[in-house]
Amino acid sequence: KAGVTQTPRYLIKTRGQQVTLSCSPISGHRSVSWYQQTPGQGLQFLFEYFSETQRNKGNFPGRFSGRQFSNSRSEMNVSTLELGDSALYLCASSPAGSDTQYFGPGTRLTVL
Amino acid sequence: TQLLEQSPQFLSIQEGENLTVYCNSSSVFSSLQWYRQEPGEGPVLLVTVVTGGEVKKLKRLTFQFGDARKDSSLHITAAQPGDTGLYLCAGPGPSNDYKLSFGAGTTVTVRA
Repeated sequence: KAGVTQTPRYLIKTRGQQVTLSCSPISGHRSVSWYQQTPGQGLQFLFEYFSETQRNKGNFPGRFSGRQFSNSRSEMNVSTLELGDSALYLCASSPAGSDTQYFGPGTRLTVL
Repeated sequence: TQLLEQSPQFLSIQEGENLTVYCNSSSVFSSLQWYRQEPGEGPVLLVTVVTGGEVKKLKRLTFQFGDARKDSSLHITAAQPGDTGLYLCAGPGPSNDYKLSFGAGTTVTVRA
């Protein structure tokens, strides 16, 4: 099976802009989670989608949002970008009933 | 404040030496997972421990889950340069709202 794919791999934006990141889960996985990884805070959970519904949400401001499509692909959007949003954004999918996360390679976002 | 505390933060050793990474918490976990992340990639699951006192071996890696299910350790015997990476422990989040909560990670460098 193909692994989790994320696009784009690298992105440079300026403060105030918005950005959309895309994730395609492993075939058959209906759960997609997003994480933010920074040197200072480590890996932090953003949200999880299952069958097009947000099932869990971490402690991030409303500028961070996401959605999931009927084919389980997911997008994450960050509006009004701040310098502190610079990070590696990781997407992970899970098979039903499992906590195991299968991660994609991530999108490296730099906000200037 | 991290729910899972990992130590040490950094570890640099010579090829052939042994090393141990610790993951501690004041909370009881139903299970703990260990992941390894290499530069430019997402974390990859190494093992899941679910029973207090459980010991699992994966080639030269030995994982132990504490009797009280509040801590875990990862021991690598005769480390090789290919073991270099960021080692992360993770457990179910602090509430039903979290998918997984990760420790800050231990960066292991094995010098040839």
